[in-house]
Amino acid sequence: LAKTTQPISMDSYEGQEVNITCSHNNIATNDYITWYQQFPSQGPRFIIQGYKTKVTNEVASLFIPADRKSSTLSLPRVSLSDTAVYYCLVGAEAAGNKLTFGGGTRVLVKP
Amino acid sequence: EAQVTQNPRYLITVTGKKLTVTCSQNMNHEYMSWYRQDPGLGLRQIYYSMNVEVTDKGDVPEGYKVSRKEKRNFPLILESPSPNQTSLYFCASRKVDTEAFFGQGTRLTVV
Repeated sequence: LAKTTQPISMDSYEGQEVNITCSHNNIATNDYITWYQQFPSQGPRFIIQGYKTKVTNEVASLFIPADRKSSTLSLPRVSLSDTAVYYCLVGAEAAGNKLTFGGGTRVLVKP
Repeated sequence: EAQVTQNPRYLITVTGKKLTVTCSQNMNHEYMSWYRQDPGLGLRQIYYSMNVEVTDKGDVPEGYKVSRKEKRNFPLILESPSPNQTSLYFCASRKVDTEAFFGQGTRLTVV
């Protein structure tokens, strides 16, 4: 299993771009990178998944460098409602039946 | 609407009184699982099921039982609840190698 490391917390302000970097040095060739978002007292919600380069959807962008040992989730122009915990999952953590959630990154968006 | 439904949302019970938390999904997903979330410990998998009549232990199965008699339902059973099972519980479902969908959560208090 590829272990992931992310910052424990980040603060931002409304309208700013938030970038959360996840390190996964032992990522395997077939592993995908997946991000989930969790609001307080709610279940995690899938945000985005990627394998390499860049993936963008209506919620976020995911940047993956060529060596794939890290990835960056980018949230453009955050609002107060983006305050949540963001989890990075890699490979067997995100495939199969078992999702292994680490501690995640607690993002606090301030007015 | 595609969803995972848990019931009840909130439950306060006494030690030793058997209880069942229900989980139902309407997406015809093969995989279903239960997690508990505790402060400082994150999300931990309790049990999972890969299909009807196929279940297996996750990371913290002690004190819990599950069954998968139908594809859509995956109840979590606490035969003799104890205070250390006070937690926030989430049910999740997914198709093979796709994103997981989580229920709204069940906050259980055992006194």
